[in-house]
Amino acid sequence: KAGVTQTPRYLIKTRGQQVTLSCSPISGHRSVSWYQQTPGQGLQFLFEYFSETQRNKGNFPGRFSGRQFSNSRSEMNVSTLELGDSALYLCASSLAGYSYEQYFGPGTRLTVT
Amino acid sequence: AQKVTQAQTEISVVEKEDVTLDCVYETRDTTYYLFWYKQPPSGELVFLIRRNSFDEQNEISGRYSWNFQKSTSSFNFTITASQVVDSAVYFCALSEGGSEKLVFGKGTKLTVNP
Repeated sequence: KAGVTQTPRYLIKTRGQQVTLSCSPISGHRSVSWYQQTPGQGLQFLFEYFSETQRNKGNFPGRFSGRQFSNSRSEMNVSTLELGDSALYLCASSLAGYSYEQYFGPGTRLTVT
Repeated sequence: AQKVTQAQTEISVVEKEDVTLDCVYETRDTTYYLFWYKQPPSGELVFLIRRNSFDEQNEISGRYSWNFQKSTSSFNFTITASQVVDSAVYFCALSEGGSEKLVFGKGTKLTVNP
């Protein structure tokens, strides 16, 4: 079975721009979660989607948004990028969305200049 | 509120030594799940174990073992006979029952020297 895939792997953007990151979960997995990893704050939960519905949201500003499609693929969007948004963005998928083990993708490294 | 504390920021050992990574958690829920993940230099988080709050049995998987003690709110991870390939950052995480939200500790960077 293929693992979680994320595209693109690396991105460089300028302050004020917006960015869209994509995540394809493991086949059959219906829950997709997003995390931000920075050296200062560590791993922080952004949001989780299950059957196209956002079920849980972390403590991030409204500039961070996401969605999930009917095939369980997910995208997250960050608008009006700030320097502090530079981070590794990790996507994770799980089978059914009840504290099941989550399997992570390789991440998208976003650099904001 | 949920919280996970990994007090050891960095640990350095010599190959074949045993090493224990500590994890202390806080939660008000009676149903919760604990996890360990490994993050090698490549960056991808690798799932190691999931344990629910009702199962306090210790678990062993090869050179890895986990000790869950509700009385001390700890879920420690031991690597026996460490190897260079064990070098990575290890994260302990907590989710409260029914939620996929993982709250991670800050991680422990383990370096195993030959």
